[in-house]
Amino acid sequence: EADIYQTPRYLVIGTGKKITLECSQTMGHDKMYWYQQDPGMELHLIHYSYGVNSTEKGDLSSESTVSRIRTEHFPLTLESARPSHTSQYLCASRGEGEAFFGQGTRLTVV
Amino acid sequence: AQSVTQPDIHITVSEGASLELRCNYSYGATPYLFWYVQSPGQGLQLLLKYFSGDTLVQGIKGFEAEFKRSQSSFNLRKPSVHWSDAAEYFCAVYSNFGNEKLTFGTGTRLTIIP
Repeated sequence: EADIYQTPRYLVIGTGKKITLECSQTMGHDKMYWYQQDPGMELHLIHYSYGVNSTEKGDLSSESTVSRIRTEHFPLTLESARPSHTSQYLCASRGEGEAFFGQGTRLTVV
Repeated sequence: AQSVTQPDIHITVSEGASLELRCNYSYGATPYLFWYVQSPGQGLQLLLKYFSGDTLVQGIKGFEAEFKRSQSSFNLRKPSVHWSDAAEYFCAVYSNFGNEKLTFGTGTRLTIIP
């Protein structure tokens, strides 16, 4: 059974606030990913990581940043949230096989 | 760079009818291919995967997919759909050479009518 967790599930926050979306996995996977997805739309890769201390930008430019200090933890941070950041954010991890996804965080910036 | 194309944005089928969702990929070497399903407001669940070997792969919920190298395709099929199959379906490709990206297609929304 896949164990990857995202918190919070839902977040409504005011413009200009700093936020961190949490993603943790207990499978020891090296590779982790963040995707941004608008309702009913495609997934856009915004960040990924090969392992500890490695982070790469994805295909979609994003104002968010990520860190990978521990294998199991891959948080995403927005220093100053804006309404354009309103979206669903999905975290995933993979070892040598398929990727496992968290339930997602639905972010609304008002 | 690798890419995935799902030409059908939305498909509607009757319950009990057969289903085929199309997926084409662009990648130089043999890719790792996946189909995922997403229910509204949820994360993605793996339906099936292809790494190597038998080109017809079986997945969960009665789904299967066939890898056709000559057509660069990995189409998803189900002989008889159920109302609970209504969801968004995503094809994905992974390259294990170079950038380690997991790239998704744009998705196909499946609607089931009684």
